[in-house]
Amino acid sequence: NAGVTQTPKFRILKIGQSMTLQCTQDMNHNYMYWYRQDPGMGLKLIYYSVGAGITDKGEVPNGYNVSRSTTEDFPLRLELAAPSQTSVYFCASTPTGGGNEQFFGPGTRLTVL
Amino acid sequence: GESVGLHLPTLSVQEGDNSIINCAYSNSASDYFIWYKQESGKGPQFIIDIRSNMDKRQGQRVTVLLNKTVKHLSLQIAATQPGDSAVYFCAENTGYSTLTFGKGTMLLVSP
Repeated sequence: NAGVTQTPKFRILKIGQSMTLQCTQDMNHNYMYWYRQDPGMGLKLIYYSVGAGITDKGEVPNGYNVSRSTTEDFPLRLELAAPSQTSVYFCASTPTGGGNEQFFGPGTRLTVL
Repeated sequence: GESVGLHLPTLSVQEGDNSIINCAYSNSASDYFIWYKQESGKGPQFIIDIRSNMDKRQGQRVTVLLNKTVKHLSLQIAATQPGDSAVYFCAENTGYSTLTFGKGTMLLVSP
């Protein structure tokens, strides 16, 4: 299994541009999550999903959107990029009932200039 | 505000020493408390968790202690190795398997 994969690894955006961060997992996990990690800080939950067709807001959802049309994919959309969205973005997944062990992808480093 | 936080931002130890990383939490209703390790340039990796009705749990070279009276969590790493150098986060399970992470402590292990 490849686990959780994220693309791209790095991206530079101009203010106002849009992009989609891709996340795919091949472990048949129902639960998926998007976090952002600012320098020297912990992870903040942006959105999560407990299954295909179901999404919920986390702690910091403003400026982002998600969709979950399949079990495998959980893309994160930035519509109007702002410098405050400069961060490292991590996608994670866990099986239903798996609870505390979330499996993380390698991250996407995004810079908005 | 954040309900999980750490006392020390950086901990430097010698190889072979035991390391203790501390964490304070404020949400008494959490079911589980968890430790994650994050190596440079990588995503966090699960180390160990402890249920709120326990006060100690041991893994391979690691022990987690939970003191609910003072809302304190610690991670002890025995015989610390250079490969243990990383940032360590405590987290709490706040429902639907959503986790709230603390700011992290960097552990630096010198040979």
